[in-house]
Amino acid sequence: EVQLVESGGGLVQPGRSLRLSCAASGFTFDDYGMHWVRQVPGKGLEWVSGINWNSVNIGYADSVQGRFTVSRDNGKNSLYLEMNSLRLEDTALYYCAKGSRGWGQVDHWGQGTLVTVSA
Amino acid sequence: NFMLTQPHSVSESPGKTVTISCTRSGGNIATNYVQWYQQRPGSAPTNVIYEDDQRPSGVPDRFSGSIDRSSNSASLTISGLKTEDEADYYCQSYDMSDLNWVFGGGTKLTVL
Repeated sequence: EVQLVESGGGLVQPGRSLRLSCAASGFTFDDYGMHWVRQVPGKGLEWVSGINWNSVNIGYADSVQGRFTVSRDNGKNSLYLEMNSLRLEDTALYYCAKGSRGWGQVDHWGQGTLVTVSA
Repeated sequence: NFMLTQPHSVSESPGKTVTISCTRSGGNIATNYVQWYQQRPGSAPTNVIYEDDQRPSGVPDRFSGSIDRSSNSASLTISGLKTEDEADYYCQSYDMSDLNWVFGGGTKLTVL
């Protein structure tokens, strides 16, 4: 059974940093791309970043480009999101999602970790 | 980049059929596959359609997807509506030139 467990969320002040992690199990991690998608409570889904299986292809939403860095450790079956210069508008539930066929889709989602940026 | 536009909400009665549209502005709907995700309140999204019209295993065949090049849109159709289908539905596609994904704004389906 595919399991994705996010961690690292919490309350942080504007301008500070936070690192999210996603522990994956139940599938061959280094066979698949991975993505981060966020959702402001009560609002829609927003793609944040994605990384392919070998970290060669990496993409970021314009809203986080230059501030967030995605990475993965295939030896540890883990995905990360380093978030710097956090803004109030980064407050959201951050989901980790497992890629499926090609870059543009995912087939499993974690339950999310909540990031709250507040003074 | 491009945008995907969905109706904010739709409602229909149990047993009926509903179709949710997803219109692409900026580029051709057929350029990259469209996915559809269902999100029930308090839960993470789940995939109900991938690659325009494919159903993941475990998704009932009451769910179907299609694209229409003439209207540059994708559609999710749910037949034989059940109260458990009440959820938010999001379409999603991507752009391989910059690797960005785009989600539609979501459609709240009410089954009443």
